[in-house]
Amino acid sequence: KNEVEQSPQNLTAQEGEFITINCSYSVGISALHWLQQHPGGGIVSLFMLSSGKKKHGRLIATINIQEKHSSLHITASHPRDSAVYICAAIDTGNQFYFGTGTSLTVIP
Amino acid sequence: DAGVIQSPRHEVTEMGQEVTLRCKPISGHNSLFWYRQTMMRGLELLIYFNNNVPIDDSGMPEDRFSAKMPNASFSTLKIQPSEPRDSAVYFCASSFGVLSYGYTFGSGTRLTVV
Repeated sequence: KNEVEQSPQNLTAQEGEFITINCSYSVGISALHWLQQHPGGGIVSLFMLSSGKKKHGRLIATINIQEKHSSLHITASHPRDSAVYICAAIDTGNQFYFGTGTSLTVIP
Repeated sequence: DAGVIQSPRHEVTEMGQEVTLRCKPISGHNSLFWYRQTMMRGLELLIYFNNNVPIDDSGMPEDRFSAKMPNASFSTLKIQPSEPRDSAVYFCASSFGVLSYGYTFGSGTRLTVV
């Protein structure tokens, strides 16, 4: 049983499209963390959120605590957004549970 | 700031040898995390420290793995003895708190045990 499920596993989009990546979790959380892993392997922290919505540039993360669901949205997608996006649920005991990642490819 | 600095970038070692991975967190960050990433298991948290004190090491796979943080600017992850299944990329990250901002990853150490 996976505590964190991501969908889709793979996603291909045309440049300019609006993209949504979903993350569902089964544990009670303190926070949910979105990470971006570039094709070269480097990892960047995008958002840490425990309620509501956060926005940074073209990226928006939302979370619904009651439904145990978070989404990562990318507006006006660009080829440089091509990466693997990983969500991690941090439970109330500060245990970390990772999704298996969503591989995004944005085609020019 | 130079970011989180990990060394070495690549390590190839023979089975049974001791391996030490090093991490220098960002100055002022008080939380430090060690992760492992493999194709089979994805990203896993091994251990994290808060104010140099290990808080949760439940992700450490077995007694062959140990981690220390002797001061706020340095941490090590040691594997002794190493085994081929330890081959992975090991990431270190630091932040201003477990649930806080400023979360920054190092470039990782790619370990190959032959």
